[in-house]
Amino acid sequence: SQQGEEDPQALSIQEGENATMNCSYKTSINNLQWYRQNSGRGLVHLILIRSNEREKHSGRLRVTLDTSKKSSSLLITASRAADTASYFCATDGKSNFNKFYFGSGTKLNVKP
Amino acid sequence: NAGVTQTPKFQVLKTGQSMTLQCAQDMNHEYMSWYRQDPGMGLRLIHYSVGAGITDQGEVPNGYNVSRSTTEDFPLRLLSAAPSQTSVYFCASRGQGMSYNSPLHFGNGTRLTVT
Repeated sequence: SQQGEEDPQALSIQEGENATMNCSYKTSINNLQWYRQNSGRGLVHLILIRSNEREKHSGRLRVTLDTSKKSSSLLITASRAADTASYFCATDGKSNFNKFYFGSGTKLNVKP
Repeated sequence: NAGVTQTPKFQVLKTGQSMTLQCAQDMNHEYMSWYRQDPGMGLRLIHYSVGAGITDQGEVPNGYNVSRSTTEDFPLRLLSAAPSQTSVYFCASRGQGMSYNSPLHFGNGTRLTVT
């Protein structure tokens, strides 16, 4: 299975601090995506990074990708209580970009 | 623009019963897919479709059937429900043709319990 692992499984921080979560995967990819899931809701797309990119920014989000190590990290700067959610990475398959593989997620709790 | 709509939100079935989970999207997306989410395991792909009349299997297809007769709808059928199918089911679609650099749009899920 290409399913990735995320680390840590849970993270608790104070509002204003930065949160970093990591994702590892097993096989070659076309792109890697990060999603957020609020409790009881569907997943919402945050950011996509292509396999030929090393870093990408979107607002308070910074994503890095290291294809040699098959890993990615998501940094949320100046976190807010509203960032409390689970975060998942998803990869496609280099040979089949219609199949997505999700990590097990990082549960982030931002305390006000 | 409703996005991806899943019905029902909750369902309880007895072992052996059958049912259909509905998924509809109004974004004219060619690609649609079904996932199940179990505690601590992330999402796993059940089936997907790249257009009307075309379906294919994902990671965990056993016990589920799909069909795609229209662009808008992609129902998931449980033929004979088992307790192992207790899960939260998500439908997701993707636009921009079959470009592999577009994100998935998710519905809010169906929570299924099989007793």
